[in-house]
Amino acid sequence: DIQMTQSPSSLSASIGDRVTITCRASQSISNSLNWYQQKPGKAPKPLIYAASSLQSGAPSRFSGSGSGTDFTLTISSLQPEDFATYYCQHTYSSPPWTFGQGTRVEIK
Amino acid sequence: EVQLVESGGGLVQPGGSLRLSCAASGFTFSTYWMSWVRQAPGKGLEWVANIKEDGSQRYYVDSVEGRFTISRDNAKNSLFLQMNNLRDEDTAVYYCTKERQRSLDYWGQGTLVTVSS
Repeated sequence: DIQMTQSPSSLSASIGDRVTITCRASQSISNSLNWYQQKPGKAPKPLIYAASSLQSGAPSRFSGSGSGTDFTLTISSLQPEDFATYYCQHTYSSPPWTFGQGTRVEIK
Repeated sequence: EVQLVESGGGLVQPGGSLRLSCAASGFTFSTYWMSWVRQAPGKGLEWVANIKEDGSQRYYVDSVEGRFTISRDNAKNSLFLQMNNLRDEDTAVYYCTKERQRSLDYWGQGTLVTVSS
């Protein structure tokens, strides 16, 4: 199975900061990479699909990039509502489709 | 408006069984793959299983293969997860999700399954 590794596991940032989270796959997954945001006690929300396409309803300050094994989620200007945990997930080839372990974004 | 509403969670003893249901509305259920994703308390997300639009293909994570069965009833816009021989490590919130373009674009609110004696 393909393993997904996110870094960092957590980070502290201030309102207005540019934030970058990385996700690395254990083998090439082309652009089959999605990003989700989860707040405590809530279901995850989709942000990015196919590595760089913005999901309907997701704010434009979120962007994704990468292909192959290395991917990035960027928040261009961190807002109060962005403090949450972020997960990457591959959907390459046949399942199982694994998630990264998550990156918690906290207030500095 | 797309809605996914899970039910059927609860407390069950190790070795027991439980059947989760997901009622879907607001989209043409029979034309989308559907998945179950779970999250153990305080842990990350784990993809569990998915099923093709017509039910002809199903996939599972290794840890549930042979114990869980995903199914659907397109006439009733419903998704199911039959869970047998439950273990402590199956304790989690289980989410019903809709797939689109190989991503999970809608999620239910989740139903809690607790396996404990």
